[in-house]
Amino acid sequence: EPEVTQTPSHQVTQMGQEVILRCVPISNHLYFYWYRQILGQKVEFLVSFYNNEISEKSEIFDDQFSVERPDGSNFTLKIRSTKLEDSAMYFCASSETKGLADTQYFGPGTRLTVL
Amino acid sequence: GESVGLHLPTLSVQEGDNSIINCAYSNSASDYFIWYKQESGKGPQFIIDIRSNMDKRQGQRVTVLLNKTVKHLSLQIAATQPGDSAVYFCAERRSQGNLIFGKGTKLSVKP
Repeated sequence: EPEVTQTPSHQVTQMGQEVILRCVPISNHLYFYWYRQILGQKVEFLVSFYNNEISEKSEIFDDQFSVERPDGSNFTLKIRSTKLEDSAMYFCASSETKGLADTQYFGPGTRLTVL
Repeated sequence: GESVGLHLPTLSVQEGDNSIINCAYSNSASDYFIWYKQESGKGPQFIIDIRSNMDKRQGQRVTVLLNKTVKHLSLQIAATQPGDSAVYFCAERRSQGNLIFGKGTKLSVKP
C-alpha cells in the first residue's frame, strides 16, 4: 500500500539554525500539506500546496517557514531560523484531489527538537 | 469562536466492550467531518468520515454519528480491542482542504 514517508524521523537543532524537513508524498497525489503537533496538543494546519504554489496557510506559517517541491517526488518544509517553540512533530500529508471528501494521508512525522 | 473539540481527554474501556468517543464543533457551516486515530509515534490515520447531509455512517467495527442540531459528533467502536488503544481526533474539513483538528481523546483498552 502506498504511503507518505518523511525524513528524518528525529531532528535536533540549535536555536537560530535552519532546518529542512523532507516528505515524499504518495506518487499520484497532487495536493500536499504540512501540519504540526506540539507535544500533548492537537494537530495544527500549517500550509497546503498545489501546482507549485501555496494554496492556503495558517497564521503559524510566518516568514520563517517556506515550502518547496524541488523535484517530482519530494516536498520540503524549511524553517529559516528555528525557535524553541518550533519544537514539535511535523506531519506531511497528501491527497489525490482537493475535493471535500478526499482523504488526506499522513506520514509518520518528524520530531523536531530545538535546543 | 470556531472550534472543534472533544469532551473527554481520556477514556478507559474493557476489552470487548463498546467505546464511544465524543466531539463537539461550533461552526454550523462545517459540512464534512473525519475521525483520525493516532498511535504513539505515528501520524494520524484515517478511520471514517461523514458529510453533513448524513446522520450516520458505518465502517468495519466503527460507526460515526452526526447530530447537527447540537453540533455533536461521535465515534463508536464495537468490541474494542487492545489494538484500538490510541488517541482519537475528530477533524473538520473546510473548503480549502486543510483539516481543523480537535484536541484528542486517549482511548485505553484494558485486557
